[in-house]
Amino acid sequence: DGGITQSPKYLFRKEGQNVTLSCEQNLNHDAMYWYRQDPGQGLRLIYYSQIVNDFQKGDIAEGYSVSREKKESFPLTVTSAQKNPTAFYLCASSPTRDQPQHFGDGTRLSIL
Amino acid sequence: RKEVEQDPGPFNVPEGATVAFNCTYSNSASQSFFWYRQDCRKEPKLLMSVYSSGNEDGRFTAQLNRASQYISLLIRDSKLSDSATYLCVVILYGQNFVFGPGTRLSVLP
Repeated sequence: DGGITQSPKYLFRKEGQNVTLSCEQNLNHDAMYWYRQDPGQGLRLIYYSQIVNDFQKGDIAEGYSVSREKKESFPLTVTSAQKNPTAFYLCASSPTRDQPQHFGDGTRLSIL
Repeated sequence: RKEVEQDPGPFNVPEGATVAFNCTYSNSASQSFFWYRQDCRKEPKLLMSVYSSGNEDGRFTAQLNRASQYISLLIRDSKLSDSATYLCVVILYGQNFVFGPGTRLSVLP
């Protein structure tokens, strides 16, 4: 079955620690995205990538980093510079930037 | 003014009711429109695209009003399983998706 796999489902971060969220897709989509969702709020774009080895900052990129070394993988690192990382993180992909996005089932990140 | 606005609700309706949501957008050059559904603590899922002439998928009807810059979603014969948050999405070609904040629907028995 084609889809987007995010792991882990739940993640806990200690103060001063970097953590990496995994996102893998086997849909052969060119574009991939990371969003953050806070309780009762909408989705906010962190980073996106339209092609391998290229990515762009979204609206709230500070404190986050990404890489796109392979078409199917787009990991997100939440760095210690992100002072309020507790949120629901969603990865999405689409064939191209203008087409509907499909989402993974998310990672919930909390601070210990 | 925000790029995409929605009434947050909640809309509490009885089973079998008809309910409609609107979503307004600020950029008149917006080209594509979609409705997504998000269940509590789950990921958003594409519900339907919105075409200029309006489109229907079973109990769901989506419409676009370019002159007034809004899209709408009509749900007929509401089911308990329709309870969710409905997100509208607006896109300019070559730009990123802009998600609305969502409208919460609760269908009551």
